[in-house]
Amino acid sequence: DAGVIQSPRHEVTEMGQEVTLRCKPISGHNSLFWYRQTMMRGLELLIYFNNNVPIDDSGMPEDRFSAKMPNASFSTLKIQPSEPRDSAVYFCASSSWDGDIQYFGAGTRLSVL
Amino acid sequence: GQQLNQSPQSMFIQEGEDVSMNCTSSSIFNTWLWYKQDPGEGPVLLIALYKAGELTSNGRLTAQFGITRKDSFLNISASIPSDVGIYFCAGHGGTYKYIFGTGTRLKVLA
Repeated sequence: DAGVIQSPRHEVTEMGQEVTLRCKPISGHNSLFWYRQTMMRGLELLIYFNNNVPIDDSGMPEDRFSAKMPNASFSTLKIQPSEPRDSAVYFCASSSWDGDIQYFGAGTRLSVL
Repeated sequence: GQQLNQSPQSMFIQEGEDVSMNCTSSSIFNTWLWYKQDPGEGPVLLIALYKAGELTSNGRLTAQFGITRKDSFLNISASIPSDVGIYFCAGHGGTYKYIFGTGTRLKVLA
């Protein structure tokens, strides 16, 4: 079975540009999570969707970040405008229900110059 | 954000040696998980623990859910070069809010 699929794997952009990260969760999973990983702060939960509805976005750093889940098989995380401090690895994870094991994608390494 | 205390932070070991690492929390958890992250990849689940005192193995890996529910341990026996990576613990109280450890970076010398 395919795991969580993220694209692109690497993104290099210039400050001020819009960045869109994509995620396809494991089929049948109804919970989806976006995380950010940095050396300083480790893995931080940005937003949690349940049945395509955003339940907890308290981790979204600021209004420049937005996330959508238009259907059960696709989610996006958008940063507009991007800033150098947004450089990090962004992970998507999914689980079959909110308290179950979370399975992670391979991540998108974002570099904002 | 909150992170669990994980030790050691890093370790170099010789191939064939056993490895032990642990994770402690100030909060009680219902579930402990151990993940491994290879360079450039996402965390991959190794072992999940659901009950205080539980001891679970996955090949050469053995993990334990501490009886206080505030700690967990991971042991790797007879390490091999492909064990290199970062090992993360994670705990949660029955919801989606995982708290992750700071990670143990393992390097194996052939």
